[in-house]
Amino acid sequence: DAGVTQSPTHLIKTRGQQVTLRCSPISGHKSVSWYQQVLGQGPQFIFQYYEKEERGRGNFPDRFSARQFPNYSSELNVNALLLGDSALYLCASSSLLGQRELAASYEQYFGPGTRLTVT
Amino acid sequence: QKEVEQDPGPLSVPEGAIVSLNCTYSNSAFQYFMWYRQYSRKGPELLMYTYSSGNKEDGRFTAQVDKSSKYISLFIRDSQPSDSATYLCAMRGTSYGKLTFGQGTILTVHP
Repeated sequence: DAGVTQSPTHLIKTRGQQVTLRCSPISGHKSVSWYQQVLGQGPQFIFQYYEKEERGRGNFPDRFSARQFPNYSSELNVNALLLGDSALYLCASSSLLGQRELAASYEQYFGPGTRLTVT
Repeated sequence: QKEVEQDPGPLSVPEGAIVSLNCTYSNSAFQYFMWYRQYSRKGPELLMYTYSSGNKEDGRFTAQVDKSSKYISLFIRDSQPSDSATYLCAMRGTSYGKLTFGQGTILTVHP
C-alpha cells in the first residue's frame, strides 16, 4: 500500500508570495492533518480535516488555509509568505475520527513532507 | 511553558548501549502517548503507541507512561547504528486530531 504522498518535495518562494502544498492520504483514510516543523523543533499542528470539514485549527494566522477534496486529498495554502514560514510542512492521515478505538492503527501516519524555503 | 518538554540532546552512544529518552508534560487531558522516529529529511514514523499509564514492549523498544508524574519514557535496548535518528514524543487527548509534540531528541549510535 502507498503511504501518504506530498508534493512538491521542495519549494523556494519569495517573501509576499503565495504557496499551495498538496497531500494524498493513505487509501481508506478520511482524515488529513497538517503540521509545520521548523528546523530543530517538533511538528506544530496547523489544521485537521475530516470528510471535507475543518475539525481542528492550531495557533496559526489567517494567512494559512486548507481544504479537503471529495477524494480526501488536501491542499494547504499560505499567503503573504514570511521568512519565518520556512519549514518542513507535514501531512498526516488517519483512518478514523472518534474516541472508541484503542489501537495504533487509528493514529496519524505522516508523509515525507514538503520543504519550503522563503527568501 | 510548553505543554510537552523533551530533552533535545543530542545524545551519542556506542552500539549495544541502552538508550533512555524522556518527555514531561503539563496537560492532564493527554491520554494517548506516542513515540515517532524521524530520519533526516523524512517524515516522522510511528514507533510506539501507549494508552494511559503502563509499559509496552515491542522488540528492543519499551515505552513507559507515568500519568501521576506526567512523565513518559522510551527505552531502546541493544542500540544499533540504524537507530540513529530524531525521536519525537507526541500525545493527545481523547479526540483524534491535534497531536502535541516534544521538540525531539537527536540520537546517534556509533559503531
